[in-house]
Amino acid sequence: DAGVTQSPTHLIKTRGQQVTLRCSPKSGHDTVSWYQQALGQGPQFIFQYYEEEERQRGNFPDRFSGHQFPNYSSELNVNALLLGDSALYLCASSLERSTEAFFGQGTRLTVV
Amino acid sequence: DAKTTQPTSMDCAEGRAANLPCNHSTISGNEYVYWYRQIHSQGPQYIIHGLKNNETNEMASLIITEDRKSSTLILPHATLRDTAVYYCIVRAKPRTISGGGADGLTFGKGTHLIIQP
Repeated sequence: DAGVTQSPTHLIKTRGQQVTLRCSPKSGHDTVSWYQQALGQGPQFIFQYYEEEERQRGNFPDRFSGHQFPNYSSELNVNALLLGDSALYLCASSLERSTEAFFGQGTRLTVV
Repeated sequence: DAKTTQPTSMDCAEGRAANLPCNHSTISGNEYVYWYRQIHSQGPQYIIHGLKNNETNEMASLIITEDRKSSTLILPHATLRDTAVYYCIVRAKPRTISGGGADGLTFGKGTHLIIQP
C-alpha cells in the first residue's frame, strides 16, 4: 500500500498564476482533506471532500477550490496566487466514518 | 472544536519516558482528544486518541484526567527518531453515517519535543 501520495513534491509559481496540486488517497479511503502549513505553524484545514462534493470548508477564500474524482483522488486549485500562499500543502485521507487521518508528504509551493 | 494549550518545546533524554502535557479545559462531552506528530519535512502522523479512558497502543499511552480538562501523551522509551512536533487536538466524533464523517483537524502550534542522546 503506497499510502497517501501527492504530486508534485515541489513547485515554484509566479504571483497571479494558477496552480493545481494532486492527491491520491490511501487504498480504500473515500474522504480527502486538504491543509495548508505555513513555515513554523501547524497545518490549517482548507476543505474536505466526500462523494465528489465539498463537505466542510475552513476559513479560506474562494481562490481555493477543489475536486474529487470517482476514484477518490483529489485536486486542489489555487487561483490568482499571492506571495502568502507559499506553504506546504498537505493532503489527508480517511474513511468516511473513521476518525484517523493519514497524511501525505505534502507539496511545497513557493510563490515568487 | 475546543482549543488546546501545549508547551512550546520540551527536552527528553534518549531511553527515558517523554511526557507531553496538553490542557483542554473547554472540551465538551462529545469531543475526543487526538495526538498527531510531525517529523521534520514529513506529513503529520496519527499517534493515538481517546474519549475519557486511558488508551495505549504500540506507539504511546494517553492519560486523560477524570474531569477531561487535560491529558498527557507518554512515549515510554523515547528514541532520537521521536524528535518531532507533537500536536494535541480535540475534535467531535463523527456525526452519523449520513450526516458526514469526522470534521477537519484544527492544529495549534504543538510541542517541539527534542530527544537528547
